[in-house]
Amino acid sequence: NAGVTQTPKFQVLKTGQSMTLQCAQDMNHNSMYWYRQDPGMGLRLIYYSASEGTTDKGEVPNGYNVSRLNKREFSLRLESAAPSQTSVYFCASHLAGVYNEQFFGPGTRLTVL
Amino acid sequence: GEDVEQSLFLSVREGDSSVINCTYTDSSSTYLYWYKQEPGAGLQLLTYIFSNMDMKQDQRLTVLLNKKDKHLSLRIADTQTGDSAIYFCAERGNQGGKLIFGQGTELSVKP
Repeated sequence: NAGVTQTPKFQVLKTGQSMTLQCAQDMNHNSMYWYRQDPGMGLRLIYYSASEGTTDKGEVPNGYNVSRLNKREFSLRLESAAPSQTSVYFCASHLAGVYNEQFFGPGTRLTVL
Repeated sequence: GEDVEQSLFLSVREGDSSVINCTYTDSSSTYLYWYKQEPGAGLQLLTYIFSNMDMKQDQRLTVLLNKKDKHLSLRIADTQTGDSAIYFCAERGNQGGKLIFGQGTELSVKP
């Protein structure tokens, strides 16, 4: 099993450009998440999808959109990138269970100039 | 709202014990977690504790939970240079499977 995979690993954008971050999991998990990680701020939830066909806003959704394409894939789109969106983005998934472990992808390092 | 707080940095000598502390606000949390992030990588679950437990031990790791003070700690015995990483405390919020993370504590282990 590959676990949670993310593409690309690195990306540099100019202000105003758009892009989509891809995430896929092969663990048959129901729920998937997008976080951003900024120094001194921990991980903040952008959007999540509790199950296929549903998405909900997290703590910092402004400037982002998501698509839960199927059970495996959950993408994050920046329609018009801003320097404030420079961050490391992590996708995670979990199967609802007893202790609720979330499995994380390796991250996408995004710089917006 | 829910909030999780950690100190940002901790430096120890190899072979010493490390203690990383965390405070949280949601008294209804059912599970609390410690995740480890090595440089350039994603987060991996290190250990977790159920809210009806006071202590959990797993090899070199000891987790202590004080529900009255809403305080969680992670003790790493005989700290090694390979333990250098960022450690995140997280609580399971009251809405489904969402986790609330602290800021992360960067542990530096000096030889």
